[in-house]
Amino acid sequence: DTEVTQTPKHLVMGMTNKKSLKCEQHMGHRAMYWYKQKAKKPPELMFVYSYEKLSINESVPSRFSPECPNSSLLNLHLHALQPEDSALYLCASSQEASDYNEQFFGPGTRLTVL
Amino acid sequence: RKEVEQDPGPFNVPEGATVAFNCTYSNSASQSFFWYRQDCRKEPKLLMSVYSSGNEDGRFTAQLNRASQYISLLIRDSKLSDSATYLCVVPAEGITDSWGKLQFGAGTQVVVTP
Repeated sequence: DTEVTQTPKHLVMGMTNKKSLKCEQHMGHRAMYWYKQKAKKPPELMFVYSYEKLSINESVPSRFSPECPNSSLLNLHLHALQPEDSALYLCASSQEASDYNEQFFGPGTRLTVL
Repeated sequence: RKEVEQDPGPFNVPEGATVAFNCTYSNSASQSFFWYRQDCRKEPKLLMSVYSSGNEDGRFTAQLNRASQYISLLIRDSKLSDSATYLCVVPAEGITDSWGKLQFGAGTQVVVTP
């Protein structure tokens, strides 16, 4: 089973709201990722968690706050976002955070910031 | 030079025909390469992993040319359902702390026509 699930599918929020995106995998993977994808562009890496520890932060603004409560779950907390943050947010997982391991993506959360 | 470069296309392909396109990469140390397909407004789905000179899976063949630093994807007997954007993905250059960080090409759009 190569399934990564994400909720919600769609989210509309104002610039003063606080919301969270959730991601779950039950493949026993020890690496999880957040990506942001704008229309007609490739995914851009935001964060990497390896064994529940943040290993890569691609200089993401602090209004995005990741959290890895356990090995199966990954959250992305959103606060005071800007309209330019509207995008598809993708979660992915892989067996390990390694160059050799394929990453499997969830269906994404389509975020609109008003 | 961009880390991963792809011809954006679109490649318009009659149903049943063969199409091939390349991806050039700058990370000469990379030992793994991935092709993902992405349908409009969907998540990237892993199509093929390449760890040696190439890989074949049904109608899809990937070939790696390390000397010239490119990887190609060939689709035989194209189906309408093959219409998608194909993303070439290569691990980022760097040391251990870059593990898990992938570089995505901008994608090659393929349109299969009846």
